[in-house]
Amino acid sequence: DAGITQSPRHKVTETGTPVTLRCHQTENHRYMYWYRQDPGHGLRLIHYSYGVKDTDKGEVSDGYSVSRSKTEDFLLTLESATSSQTSVYFCAISESLSGQGSGELFFGEGSRLTVL
Amino acid sequence: SQQGEEDPQALSIQEGENATMNCSYKTSINNLQWYRQNSGRGLVHLILIRSNEREKHSGRLRVTLDTSKKSSSLLITASRAADTASYFCATRTSGTYKYIFGTGTRLKVLA
Repeated sequence: DAGITQSPRHKVTETGTPVTLRCHQTENHRYMYWYRQDPGHGLRLIHYSYGVKDTDKGEVSDGYSVSRSKTEDFLLTLESATSSQTSVYFCAISESLSGQGSGELFFGEGSRLTVL
Repeated sequence: SQQGEEDPQALSIQEGENATMNCSYKTSINNLQWYRQNSGRGLVHLILIRSNEREKHSGRLRVTLDTSKKSSSLLITASRAADTASYFCATRTSGTYKYIFGTGTRLKVLA
């Protein structure tokens, strides 16, 4: 199994509070992704990173920010959590997108966030 | 939204039968992948097909890709109860680093 750790795994917070989710990898993979999973929507891409300090928006980036100051860590921050951000958040990593390597994504076990 | 769609949303079959699920996507792609998710767990990669390929096999899995119709299908032959899971397709949009997932198919295989 790819070495991906998400923390915290479960969190309950109140509306308006800041929340940071951490994704830590031990694979030295270049690409990292944050998705949220909600019933009826499958997985939706929030933000992704293609290198240290290189990030870009996904489909549902409003209300979220990310940072990647070193290869192994990709942080997802909700500056002021809202109830609509209650979801399960998954981190994924990929070694390469083409050429060598299959381009497959390896997923963490998810972080369940409840905003009251 | 760039998100693709899968159908059916849910599928229930008997053990030993074949299961077919379909994926449609919206953009030009480099490759298409299928993933499996057991309840509450992270997704696990099953198979990848590149945009210049039309069919690929891996064990009991068969994937087809029709880029003119922007669609793919996943066939699981001789299904087992252990195949019960949700299945998702994912596409990497050409020229980007983005992987966009479909909405998923929930497969239930009855023993």
